[in-house]
Parts: sequence; structure tokens; C-alpha cells
Amino acid sequence: GESVGLHLPTLSVQEGDNSIINCAYSNSASDYFIWYKQESGKGPQFIIDIRSNMDKRQGQRVTVLLNKTVKHLSLQIAATQPGDSAVYFCAENLGGYNKLIFGAGTRLAVHP
Amino acid sequence: DTGVSQDPRHKITKRGQNVTFRCDPISEHNRLYWYRQTLGQGPEFLTYFQNEAQLEKSRLLSDRFSAERPKGSFSTLEIQRTEQGDSAMYLCASSSGQGSYEQYFGPGTRLTVT
Repeated sequence: GESVGLHLPTLSVQEGDNSIINCAYSNSASDYFIWYKQESGKGPQFIIDIRSNMDKRQGQRVTVLLNKTVKHLSLQIAATQPGDSAVYFCAENLGGYNKLIFGAGTRLAVHP
Repeated sequence: DTGVSQDPRHKITKRGQNVTFRCDPISEHNRLYWYRQTLGQGPEFLTYFQNEAQLEKSRLLSDRFSAERPKGSFSTLEIQRTEQGDSAMYLCASSSGQGSYEQYFGPGTRLTVT
């Protein structure tokens, strides 16, 4: 079947390890950021978001860190599981109508 | 299922034909978005509706593309005179626009132009 992220950078981790996926965003005026997970043949699934007035936000097993100085976003996944295998995209909102600008994506491969 | 739905899931058409896709957003979400995604890339914004009003269109949306949301609920995206370069996944997303920026995506329509 089709494969999302055919030529994307890949992060390979062992099941149970922590994963860190990084993203550089483009616009210093962006005020909102989201991480999405996309499995092959499916639409992007919301994971976690963060507003520009924060530098860290935690969810269940996931943490997003925002460094506005260097325009960098990271997603940390604790105790990575095989079900976490997917392509992960960061997206930024330039304000206004909340149009999202997506980054290039990273494939996460979790090995048992 | 109360999520965003799209129809059809797959469409194969010959170059030059017209195609129409449908998106049903989450009930009561007043914001609806169309994106296009090609293999290996993140989704790219195409257009945005607030209720029935189309408020923004990307330069990616050529004259052959038209989108509507006639009653502020479901939306359609039509591509006329399809070209092979139109082959992509077409994604629809919706959001409530009420203090939340979260956009919820549908499963997409995979278009293949032969």
C-alpha cells in the first residue's frame, strides 16, 4: 500500500525507550504549534499543541518543548510503543484563520 | 462516528475528467479547511471556510479548483480537467474556532489521475 513519508528522515528506537522528534519552524510570528501523527493511508491525528507564550506542555506520555529563540520545536514520547510507529509532523499557525503550515515530517520506527 | 468524514476514499480518473470530493466536518464546527498532501510531504493548505464563507484560498488552488460549503455544513472540492499533477491525497479538517485552534482531520481522498 501507499506509504506516507516515503523519503522522510527516520528515527529508529527500541520499544520502551524515549523518543525525541525535532522540528524547525519558519516564522517567528507564529503563535501556535501542533504535533500530528500520521499512519499510512490515514489523515493526521492530533497529538499535542502549545501556544507561543509557553515553552513546555505535557500530555499523556508526550511532551512538547518550544524554543522561540531558535525557532525549534520538539516532541518527546516516553516509553515508546510499537503503536507509536508513524510519521510525525509539526505544524505552525501564522495567526488569523489558523491556517496551518506543516513541516517536512519524521518517520518514527519502533522496534521490539 | 463523530469525526470528520470524506468521500470517496479513493478516486481513479483519467486526465481531463472532472472529479468532486465531499467532506463532512465534525458537527457544529464552523471552520473547515482543505489541504493537499503528496507522498513524502506534509499537508499544504488549499482553502478555508468559516460557515459558508470561503475566506482564504492558496495560490495552489488554480482556476480548475473550486470549493463550496453551501449551507455551512458539508463542503465539496471540485477539480475540473484533471492533470496528472493533481494526483495527491486531499484532506479535509474542521475546527470549532471557539478558543481552540485544534484542527481535526478526515481520512482523506486519494486521487490518482492516469
